[in-house]
Amino acid sequence: QVQLVESGGGVVQPGTSLRLSCAASGFTFSTCAMQWVRQAPGKGLDWVATISKSGSDKFYADSVKGRFTISRDNSEDTLYLQMNSLRGEDMAVYYCVREWELSTWGQGTLVTVSS
Amino acid sequence: DVVMTQSPLSLSVTLGQPASISCRSSQGLVFRDGNTYLNWFHQRPGQSPRRLFYRVSNRDSGVPDRFSGSGSGTDFTLKISRVEAEDIGVYYCMQGTHWPRTFGQGTKVEIK
Repeated sequence: QVQLVESGGGVVQPGTSLRLSCAASGFTFSTCAMQWVRQAPGKGLDWVATISKSGSDKFYADSVKGRFTISRDNSEDTLYLQMNSLRGEDMAVYYCVREWELSTWGQGTLVTVSS
Repeated sequence: DVVMTQSPLSLSVTLGQPASISCRSSQGLVFRDGNTYLNWFHQRPGQSPRRLFYRVSNRDSGVPDRFSGSGSGTDFTLKISRVEAEDIGVYYCMQGTHWPRTFGQGTKVEIK
């Protein structure tokens, strides 16, 4: 079955960096666009970034543009989110999501930004 | 950005009774390919979101047929014909037509 397993979350200080990973299985990863969506504690869902199946097209929310980079390794069936210059408002559970139409979600990984 | 406005923001429903959630977009959601990319998601407490419907009314596998999605243009609705205990949680609409993608604020459904 389709599985998306995020990792890489943790506690970091403002201004530092973190890289999230999402290991995909149960489907042909290289044929699917992929996305990151986040959810701050007690809040709603917030789209972060999308990458096309080849990785040639990338889209970002204005709130993360220039600080976050979405990428993928189709040979390793893995999606990444490089997060730089982290801020308090980036604190959230980050979900890896399959396809343009967000068909399948991972369990999420928590990023805590605190001094 | 396209603003997605859900109403109500909370709903207390008696088991077996119907429920309805509205989602309105600030711009039309018809894409140049003719499709309307409006999705509905359900998030139970402590769980990841799960998609219920894509392109307005296409029900995902395993979603009970007591759920229905409808609408067009800027006005969309999620209906539950008879609410069951497992339906509690927060429901979100999301548009996938325009960049950036945007979600509604969420509607919390509880059992009365």
